Amino acid sequence: QSVLTQPPSVSAAPGQKVTISCSGSSSNIGNNFVSWYQQLPGTAPKLIIYDYGQRPSGIPDRFSGSKSGTSATLGISGLQTGDEADYYCGAWDSSLSVWVFGGGTKVTVL
Amino acid sequence: QVQLVESGGGAVQPGRSLRLSCAASGFTFSTTGMHWVRQAPGKGLEWVGLISYDATYKFYSDSVKGRFIISRDNSNNTLYLQMNSLRSDDTAVYYCAKVDSGDGGFFFDYWGQGIHVTVSS
Repeated sequence: QSVLTQPPSVSAAPGQKVTISCSGSSSNIGNNFVSWYQQLPGTAPKLIIYDYGQRPSGIPDRFSGSKSGTSATLGISGLQTGDEADYYCGAWDSSLSVWVFGGGTKVTVL
Repeated sequence: QVQLVESGGGAVQPGRSLRLSCAASGFTFSTTGMHWVRQAPGKGLEWVGLISYDATYKFYSDSVKGRFIISRDNSNNTLYLQMNSLRSDDTAVYYCAKVDSGDGGFFFDYWGQGIHVTVSS
């Protein structure tokens, strides 16, 4: 059971938008910054969003992030087949003094 | 460019030890915090632990505390994970990850390619 809760899967047609929620608590998302990672099949995770909504260089603006209270959301617009991957949210948990990941969400492009 | 290359993985029997290494290049290793993250077959990411840039601070997940030790050699730009008393549920791909920070938080901006560890009799 992960400290951060994500839906196991989301799907949409090419060109559409999906959103992935990440629910936590005041000790992690509520008071610490969230980052998001994309893991394509058979590869290492890759940073796509940090500090809730900032994108590293090279990450297209189709990827967006936001936070409200103790939850964070990743949005992927203009969905492409190359976006099919597992997506993980993560944050530091100040009460536990550990980094926590969500369980991961598999994005499927229909 | 930033490179993180893990080595030292393989198959080991339960109860034995194994040491992973992560060779870093392309950034100032001696001023950068580092983490280990693992992923069991077919499962999600699990944080293992972290070490501050100068090894002053180390934190571990409950699942490895007391069995795993993270260390670093800043003169050789290398991160280590000493894994003792290995169990079957330690079977995973192990990643080293570099830390960066933004306006307030930290995150993992680069990851190694991962190294397999299999614990089985």
